Amino acid sequence: QVQLQESGPGLVKPSQTLSLTCTVSGGSISSGDYYWSWIRQPPGKGLEWIGYIYYSGSTYYNPSLKSRVTISVDTSKNQFSLKLSSVTAADTAVYYCARSLRWLQFPWFDPWGQGTLVTVSS
Amino acid sequence: SYVLTQPPSVSVAPGQTARITCGGNNIGSKSVHWYQQKPGQAPVLVVYDDSDRPSGIPERFSGSNSGNTATLTISRVEAGDEADYYCQVWDSSSDHPGVFGGGTKLTVL
Repeated sequence: QVQLQESGPGLVKPSQTLSLTCTVSGGSISSGDYYWSWIRQPPGKGLEWIGYIYYSGSTYYNPSLKSRVTISVDTSKNQFSLKLSSVTAADTAVYYCARSLRWLQFPWFDPWGQGTLVTVSS
Repeated sequence: SYVLTQPPSVSVAPGQTARITCGGNNIGSKSVHWYQQKPGQAPVLVVYDDSDRPSGIPERFSGSNSGNTATLTISRVEAGDEADYYCQVWDSSSDHPGVFGGGTKLTVL
């Protein structure tokens, strides 16, 4: 059974870059069947899809974040990563990684990682 | 981008039926997925493709989708069903394909 686990600093200063990694266990990130996504949730608010990556490195980002987001993959470590630049307090959120099936017209997200809280504060 | 609208809250007594709606323009032409999120936990998929249940999800959870409204129905509600519920679609025609509703807080009275 595939499991995802987020990791990274819990505190980032304003204007700096947020960096998180999602480690995939129980399955290979190089499987051609899946997209690997980042999703975030500000405290007390709803879910926002950030973007996804395919094992080949192709990406798709939420246009509202596109100018600040980079998602990358390291197949040798079975990990994918998120970088969000020029962060502000509005980027404070729980960040989740999740998997979706690539060949579906209407994919869903399953499973999800447990999430990691990132606070932007000086 | 595509917009999904959910009521902020729904309340129901134990043993009764809860219905949580998700509104969107011609949402019946898309497949809708539902997630349950309990406090401090990650979302869990409870219904996919409008009405299918993942393994391990009770039959009490069901879904439907037609016209401009999708509905998650929880029968014989239990105290343990109290949670936030989110609908989600994938809008391939949009530059923002991954879309979630704003979430509905289900309170079991």
